[in-house]
Amino acid sequence: DIQMTQSPSSLSASVGDRVTITCRASQGMSDYLAWYQQKPGKVPKLLIYAASTLQSGVPSRFSGSGSGTDFTLTISSLQPEDVATYYCQKYNSAPFTFGPGTKVDIK
Amino acid sequence: QVQLVESGGGVVQPGGSLRLSCAASGFTFSSYGMHWVRQAPGKGLEWVAFIRYDGNNKYYADSVKGRFTISRDTSKNTLYLQMNSLRDEDTAVYYCAKGSSGTWGYFDYWGQGTLVTVSS
Repeated sequence: DIQMTQSPSSLSASVGDRVTITCRASQGMSDYLAWYQQKPGKVPKLLIYAASTLQSGVPSRFSGSGSGTDFTLTISSLQPEDVATYYCQKYNSAPFTFGPGTKVDIK
Repeated sequence: QVQLVESGGGVVQPGGSLRLSCAASGFTFSSYGMHWVRQAPGKGLEWVAFIRYDGNNKYYADSVKGRFTISRDTSKNTLYLQMNSLRDEDTAVYYCAKGSSGTWGYFDYWGQGTLVTVSS
């Protein structure tokens, strides 16, 4: 099975900073990669699918890139409402493994 | 709009059983794959089970294989998760999620979750 890792596990940044989160798959998986945002006490929300396609309604400061084994989620200008844990996930086949998550907060 | 409403959670003793339900509305239920995902207290997301749009293929995480059964009733627009031989480590919020296609796909809508607590 493909394993998913994320780095860093947590980060603290200032409002307006550019934030980058990395997700790595143990084997190549084309672009079957999604990113989810989970705010404290809330339900996970789809941000990006197919590695770089923004889900409808998601602010344009979020972007995704990558293919194969290495993927990136970028927040171009961090906002207070972006405080959350971010998860990557593979969906090319079962098991639909999630990464361990990256917790983002404001410095 | 798409709505997914889970029910059936509660407190159960180790070794016990529980059946979760997820009532779906706002989309053609019979056309989409459906998933269960869980989140233990303070932990990350763990995919649990998937059922294809037609119910003909089902997949499970190794941690629940042989104990949990996913099913769907198209006439009731409802997804189920039958959980048997429950263990302490099954304690979690259980979410149902809609797949983006009938087979493989990302999870585009999530329910609010239902809490399952396994404790003696």
